[in-house]
Amino acid sequence: AQKVTQAQTEISVVEKEDVTLDCVYETRDTTYYLFWYKQPPSGELVFLIRRNSFDEQNEISGRYSWNFQKSTSSFNFTITASQVVDSAVYFCALKGADSSYKLIFGSGTRLLVRP
Amino acid sequence: DTGVSQNPRHKITKRGQNVTFRCDPISEHNRLYWYRQTLGQGPEFLTYFQNEAQLEKSRLLSDRFSAERPKGSFSTLEIQRTEQGDSAMYLCASTPGQGYNEQFFGPGTRLTVL
Repeated sequence: AQKVTQAQTEISVVEKEDVTLDCVYETRDTTYYLFWYKQPPSGELVFLIRRNSFDEQNEISGRYSWNFQKSTSSFNFTITASQVVDSAVYFCALKGADSSYKLIFGSGTRLLVRP
Repeated sequence: DTGVSQNPRHKITKRGQNVTFRCDPISEHNRLYWYRQTLGQGPEFLTYFQNEAQLEKSRLLSDRFSAERPKGSFSTLEIQRTEQGDSAMYLCASTPGQGYNEQFFGPGTRLTVL
C-alpha cells in the first residue's frame, strides 16, 4: 500500500523565520515520484516540485529547498526567510511508477506566517 | 497557455438532486484526473482518463458517480441523487502524457449539498 504522512497539522511562524515541513512516505514500488503542492486560500493546487526516486540530490529554488532521504523515506520541504505570502496549506504527494497513475496525498500542513 | 478550468466554481444543491461538473484540461493534455477533497484533508483520487478512455476508477466512485470524456478533450463528472456526504471540493487535473508525472490542477468546484 502507498501512504503519505504529514504529521504537522499546522505550523505558525513569524515572518523571516525558516520553517521545515515534514513528509514521510510508504511505497513498495521500486520507482516512484514525490511531489509538493501549495494550496493558497484561493483553493487551487499549485505544483512546486517533483523528485524521482532514483535522484536523491537535494534541490534549491530561491527560498525553497527540498531534502529527499530514501533511507528514512522522507521528503522534507524548507522555506527560508518565510514571508506572509507563503501562508497556505502544503501537500506532499506520492506516485508509484509501477502501479497506478494517481497521486496519493498527505493530509497537508497549514502554514501561517505572521507579520 | 491557459490552465485547467472548471465550471461551475460553486454549486449548492438539495439532497437528492443530480449535479454535473465540467473540466477543461490544458490544451493537448491527453491525461485527465478527478479528485475529491474534503475539509482538512488532502485530495483523494476518483478516476483517470487517457484520451477518451476511462482507465482507472477509485472505490470512492460509487454507482451514483459517473465521469465521461467523450472526445478526449473536456470531461464531465455527474453525481446522481446527491447526499450530504458528497459535499466537497471536486478537483480536476491534467498532464501532457507519457513522461510527465506532475499533474496540473484546476481551481475546483465546491459542492454543498443541503
